[in-house]
Amino acid sequence: EVQLVESGGGLVQPGRSMKLSCAASGFTFNNYDMAWVCQAPKKGLEWVATISYDGSSTYYRDSVKGRFTISRDNAKSTLYLQMDSLRSEDTATYYCARHAWYTGVMDAWGQGASVTVSS
Amino acid sequence: DVQMTQSPSYLAASPGESVSISCKASKSISNNLAWYQEKPGKANKLLIHSGSTLQSGTPSRFSGSGSGTDFTLTIRSLESEDFAVYYCQQYNEYPYTFGAGTKLELK
Repeated sequence: EVQLVESGGGLVQPGRSMKLSCAASGFTFNNYDMAWVCQAPKKGLEWVATISYDGSSTYYRDSVKGRFTISRDNAKSTLYLQMDSLRSEDTATYYCARHAWYTGVMDAWGQGASVTVSS
Repeated sequence: DVQMTQSPSYLAASPGESVSISCKASKSISNNLAWYQEKPGKANKLLIHSGSTLQSGTPSRFSGSGSGTDFTLTIRSLESEDFAVYYCQQYNEYPYTFGAGTKLELK
């Protein structure tokens, strides 16, 4: 069974950093591109970043470029999102998702990690 | 960025009825469109990709149609488990973008 389990969320002050992790199991992690998607309170889904199966390529939405870094450790089957210079508008639940067939389709999702940016 | 306009935002229906949700892209995305279902306490579920291809495990009462800029998700003979929020997503180009969602509620 494919499982994606996020961790590392919580309350953080504006301007500070936080790192999310996503532990993957039930599939060959290093065969898949992976993504982070966020959802602000009572809002819709917003794609944040994607990393290729081997980590060689990364893509970000403009609002997080230069502040967030997506990375992966294929030996540990773990995806990461390093979030720096956090802003109140980054408050959201962050979902880890698996891309299907090297496309933008996301065929497996985690349950999410909540991040609140507030003083 | 490709804007995805989803309508309606809310939809009330009864079990056994059929409903349709529209998703319009601000420019052509070919058939690079997916539909997802969101339910409280559950991981989001991919229902349809490539505009009309059912993901493995998606019940046949779900169908998708369209290409270019106009897409539709149809659910025939609604069942109680179908009451949820539905999102469309384009994956034709970065940044990937989602529609604002349609909440399907029990009438």
